[in-house]
Amino acid sequence: EAGVAQSPRYKIIEKRQSVAFWCNPISGHATLYWYQQILGQGPKLLIQFQNNGVVDDSQLPKDRFSAERLKGVDSTLKIQPAKLEDSAVYLCASSLIPGELFFGEGSRLTVL
Amino acid sequence: AQKVTQAQTEISVVEKEDVTLDCVYETRDTTYYLFWYKQPPSGELVFLIRRNSFDEQNEISGRYSWNFQKSTSSFNFTITASQVVDSAVYFCALSDGDSSYKLIFGSGTRLLVRP
Repeated sequence: EAGVAQSPRYKIIEKRQSVAFWCNPISGHATLYWYQQILGQGPKLLIQFQNNGVVDDSQLPKDRFSAERLKGVDSTLKIQPAKLEDSAVYLCASSLIPGELFFGEGSRLTVL
Repeated sequence: AQKVTQAQTEISVVEKEDVTLDCVYETRDTTYYLFWYKQPPSGELVFLIRRNSFDEQNEISGRYSWNFQKSTSSFNFTITASQVVDSAVYFCALSDGDSSYKLIFGSGTRLLVRP
């Protein structure tokens, strides 16, 4: 069974530029999550989708971050414009059973 | 507010030693869930276990065991006879009992098992 796919694995941008991350969840998983993991910290939930509807985006900085889940499958997370403090690993996860998340390898963002 | 505390930032042991990773949580909910995830150097978090607040029975899975104590709001994780492959960052997480299962992660404990 294929796991959660994410791209790109690494991205370096200047502050105020934009970036987009893509995620393809495990087939059949209705719930998709985007987490932000800053170095030395635990993952923090940015947004949770159930199929293509948003369940929770309370911690998403909506002035610069946006996310969508196309047709309830793939998802894209965008940051525009990026700030230095956005440097982190962006983790995508999906689940079939509540709480049992399957994570991708993450997309590491460095903002200079 | 919900909170998870993993006070041990880093633990170093020699192979075959037993090691316990501590997790203390805070929540006002009566129904909640606790989790442990492993993050190896590759970066991909791996689900280890889920327990609900009504089940305080300890669980053992091979060399792994978990001790859930509501009286002390703790959900500790023990690795018996540690191996080098156990080296990773381990996260404890908490979610409330509603349908969203929003996970709140602790800051993690980095375990280094030396040969």
